[in-house]
Amino acid sequence: EVQLVESGGGLVQPGGSLRLSCAASGFIFSSHEMNWVRQAPGKGLEWVAYISGTGSSTHYSDSVRGRFTISRDNAKSSLYLQMNSLRVEDTAVYYCVRGSGSSGVYYFDYWGQGTLVTVSS
Amino acid sequence: DIQMTQSPSSLSASVGDRVTITCRASQSISKYLNWYHQKPGKAPRLLIFAASSLQSGVPSRFSGSGSGTDFTLTISSLQPEDFATYYCQQTYSTPRTFGRGTKLEIK
Repeated sequence: EVQLVESGGGLVQPGGSLRLSCAASGFIFSSHEMNWVRQAPGKGLEWVAYISGTGSSTHYSDSVRGRFTISRDNAKSSLYLQMNSLRVEDTAVYYCVRGSGSSGVYYFDYWGQGTLVTVSS
Repeated sequence: DIQMTQSPSSLSASVGDRVTITCRASQSISKYLNWYHQKPGKAPRLLIFAASSLQSGVPSRFSGSGSGTDFTLTISSLQPEDFATYYCQQTYSTPRTFGRGTKLEIK
């Protein structure tokens, strides 16, 4: 059974840092691209970051580029999101999401339960 | 960035109704369109990928169609567990943008 379990969320002051982790199990982690998607309270879904299976390629949304860093440790089947210079508007539930597909088709087929990040003074 | 526009933003319907939700992309995205639903307090769940392919385990009352810029999600006969918020997502290009959601409520 595929499982994605996030951790590391919490309350942080504006300008602070936080590191999210996602422990993956039930599949060959290195074979899948991974993503972080967030959802502000009462709002819709926002894709945040992507990393290739090897970790050699990453992409970020404009709203977090230069402040957030996505990384992975395939030996530990773990995904990370280092968040620096946090802003109030980064307050959201952050989901660890598995990407799947081939031949150009791509979709987010498994989601973790999410971890809440609250940025407030 | 490609903008995804869903309509309606909210919808009231009854158990057994046939419901259609639409999603329009700001430019052609071929067939690279996915649908998810999300229940309160839960993570989203993939329903349809590549515009019309049903994800494993998803009931056959869900179907998707479209290509280019216009897409639809149809639920043939609403069940109580279908009341949720529905999102479309394009994966034609990065950023992989979502629509703003359609909240499906019980009439």
